[in-house]
Amino acid sequence: GEDVEQSLFLSVREGDSSVINCTYTDSSSTYLYWYKQEPGAGLQLLTYIFSNMDMKQDQRLTVLLNKKDKHLSLRIADTQTGDSAIYFCAEVPGGGNKLTFGTGTQLKVEL
Amino acid sequence: DAGVTQSPTHLIKTRGQQVTLRCSPKSGHDTVSWYQQALGQGPQFIFQYYEEEERQRGNFPDRFSGHQFPNYSSELNVNALLLGDSALYLCASSLNRRGPNSPLHFGNGTRLTVT
Repeated sequence: GEDVEQSLFLSVREGDSSVINCTYTDSSSTYLYWYKQEPGAGLQLLTYIFSNMDMKQDQRLTVLLNKKDKHLSLRIADTQTGDSAIYFCAEVPGGGNKLTFGTGTQLKVEL
Repeated sequence: DAGVTQSPTHLIKTRGQQVTLRCSPKSGHDTVSWYQQALGQGPQFIFQYYEEEERQRGNFPDRFSGHQFPNYSSELNVNALLLGDSALYLCASSLNRRGPNSPLHFGNGTRLTVT
């Protein structure tokens, strides 16, 4: 199918690590992306990974890519209340020009 | 450095009416894409404009049309509005020179409500 799948909801305590998972569909996707959406706002590009990489680290963010299983994850270290938002993974199927987004994972950070 | 700007931020229309949404890309970007985000869902690709032409189109009816101007800004037009067109409409810009996988930068969107 063409659906990029994500779990709908994740709740963590402040200071813990968060791991958001995504299963994408197209093995030819060259780049895979993570976007963050806060209430009432557009999408903010967090990070992206090239398909020939297994891991990318950017400050508190770590992206892991398993091409064999078409699985992508985003780890947020030392999660803060400001990290509460909806997180979308996205792929570019067929090397074209459009992003295909997942349904989004709502991250709630509790004190 | 100006990011992607969209106008208006909110809009209420009646079924059957027509609407025009506007977008100015991030400074230096030449490619504009439009997405529709229904409540509780991920954004869905409508179409992309480059060099004032529609380059790729998603699974949206012909009621959805667009335009790109020489200054790279863009408009999205929707005719004969339906209740189901109520959504957040997002504009995203990118730099074509970096190829098809140039990261998209999004605006804050226009919230369209059709009554």
